[in-house]
Amino acid sequence: EVQLVQSGAEVKEPGESLKISCKGFGYTFSNYWVVWVRQMPGKGLEWMGIIYPGDSDTRYSPSFQGQVIISADKSISTAYLQLTTLKASDSATYYCARQGGFGEFDYWGQGALVTVSS
Amino acid sequence: QSVLTQPPSTSGAPGQRVTVSCSGSSSIMASYTVNWYQQLPGMAPKLLIYGNDQRPAGVPDRFSGSKSGTSASLAITGLQSEDEADYYCALWIDSLHVFGTGTKVTVL
Repeated sequence: EVQLVQSGAEVKEPGESLKISCKGFGYTFSNYWVVWVRQMPGKGLEWMGIIYPGDSDTRYSPSFQGQVIISADKSISTAYLQLTTLKASDSATYYCARQGGFGEFDYWGQGALVTVSS
Repeated sequence: QSVLTQPPSTSGAPGQRVTVSCSGSSSIMASYTVNWYQQLPGMAPKLLIYGNDQRPAGVPDRFSGSKSGTSASLAITGLQSEDEADYYCALWIDSLHVFGTGTKVTVL
């Protein structure tokens, strides 16, 4: 069974940094793109970027370029989303998902709730 | 600001048919396939339709997708209470992805 399991909820103070993980199970992790999606409280889905774990080829949404870092370690089937210099506006739920052949996101992680507050 | 526009909300009584539209520029909609996601309250999104009109295994045939001209549509027939959720269209455009603005479907 294909699964993406994300790290847990985090509470951080402004200025701190954070790295969220997304571990894949049940498929060859290296062979599928992994995407990251942000959902701010009460708002819609925003595509942040995507990585191909096989060669770490990474693309970013223009809205998030320079604001986040996406990486992957194929040896442990895990992708990462790094947020630096956190602000209150970074408070959101962050999802990872696997991309299929039609650009669809066919399997999703459970989401990681990030709260940034002093 | 998304390039894909959806109505903020729609509603229907149990058993009725509702549609959710997803509009974009003619060049974008003509060239790329549309995927649809369902997000139940408090849950992660779930793939509902891919490749404009294909249902993944396990998705009821009450859900159908179509695309014509500058817009795509998701139809839900025989509306059920468990269909109350947010629905998002999405496109994969030259290595970038875009989500629609989202539509809340309410079952009356």
